[in-house]
Formats: sequence, C-alpha cells, structure tokens
Amino acid sequence: QKEVEQNSGPLSVPEGAIASLNCTYSDRGSQSFFWYRQYSGKSPELIMSIYSNGDKEDGRFTAQLNKASQYVSLLIRDSQPSDSATYLCAVNMQRGGTNAGKSTFGDGTTLTVKP
Amino acid sequence: DTGVSQDPRHKITKRGQNVTFRCDPISEHNRLYWYRQTLGQGPEFLTYFQNEAQLEKSRLLSDRFSAERPKGSFSTLEIQRTEQGDSAMYLCASSKSRDRGTDTQYFGPGTRLTVL
Repeated sequence: QKEVEQNSGPLSVPEGAIASLNCTYSDRGSQSFFWYRQYSGKSPELIMSIYSNGDKEDGRFTAQLNKASQYVSLLIRDSQPSDSATYLCAVNMQRGGTNAGKSTFGDGTTLTVKP
Repeated sequence: DTGVSQDPRHKITKRGQNVTFRCDPISEHNRLYWYRQTLGQGPEFLTYFQNEAQLEKSRLLSDRFSAERPKGSFSTLEIQRTEQGDSAMYLCASSKSRDRGTDTQYFGPGTRLTVL
C-alpha cells in the first residue's frame, strides 16, 4: 500500500462543473496536507495547504481534511479548460523539527475539463 | 516563477558519465529539498538540507548520488556513473522553516535528465 493514494483518473468534467479530487494517506502522524497542480512537462505548483480538520476555501478551490478518516480532498468549482492538469496530493509529518518538511506525494489525478 | 531556479533545464548524457545539477532557492529560505519524478509518478523524496546540514537522505538513494549545500545557499546534486534508470525530472524545492509545524515548499522548474 502506498503511503499516499490518489485515483489516477483520468477525471473528465464539463466546463463550469465541480471537479472533486480525493486523496487518502496511511500515516496517522501526518499533520500538513498540500495540493499541487502540475501541467505536462512542468514542475508542481502549490494550490492549497490545509492543516486542520474541515474546509478551507481559496477562490474556486476548496480543500477538505478529515484526519479521523485519513482523507483530504480538493474541490474545483466552475471548472475551466485551463484547470486541465495533474493534481498531486502531498502529505507531511510533523516530528518536532528535523524531517517535518519532507513531503510524500501521491501519483496524481489527471483532470480534463472539456469546453 | 516561484523564485527557485535550476540549471541546466535539460541534460542528455551517456550511460556511465557523471552529471551535476544546481539549485538556487528563494533567498530567505533555509530549507532545500531534492525530489525525483518519473512519468506517471509523483515526486519522490531524495534528500533535504536545513541551512548547510543534510538532515535526511532517502534509503532508496544509491551511493552514486550525492548532494551538497556548502554555504547554506545553493545546492548541487551529483549522479556518478549514470544509468538509464536515472532518467527522470529532478526537482528542487525550498521552504522557510517555522518553529512549529511544517513549511510550504516551492518548486523550481526542474532538470530533465536523459541517459542514453
């Protein structure tokens, strides 16, 4: 079992719809969670970070975290063709300093938004 | 552009050759990370530095790989005796550590290595 799991997709939604991306993680010590967007051939770009249970909204993006169920999700409202990319979920553990910053990534979900 | 730069952006080499990559982090960031990414996979952690100290190195990393950050600013990643399996995108990220919790990493554009 991978430490961070995502559905590989592809996930296809029509323009204007809500895209829902999910991620589960295995380490209950995980404390910080990140969503990155990665266009083909480019490096990951940070979209959202979330640390506490519940929802966090930033523009068209909402991250949801449930530590008890060990899942984190990303909702993209009013999806646009420019949102078509691979979305990576990353999880960090907090161990009091030294390796707190190390990120473990899922393999990503490919999203296609059709005009 | 996150402010993290990497050089070169592309490198083609023959099997058995040594290669070296450079990463310049965001200036006020004290942490620097190296990841490797192959097609269809997420970035895989290689190693990271806090200032000039290398605090963790992946157990998956062979001894052909070495990284340095001599003055706590830029970092280099060297691969000796390259193999075709080393072909990947090598990503550098930097962050500013906080007293508690974790920090947000910003990625550079990556160096794409092709080993023939």
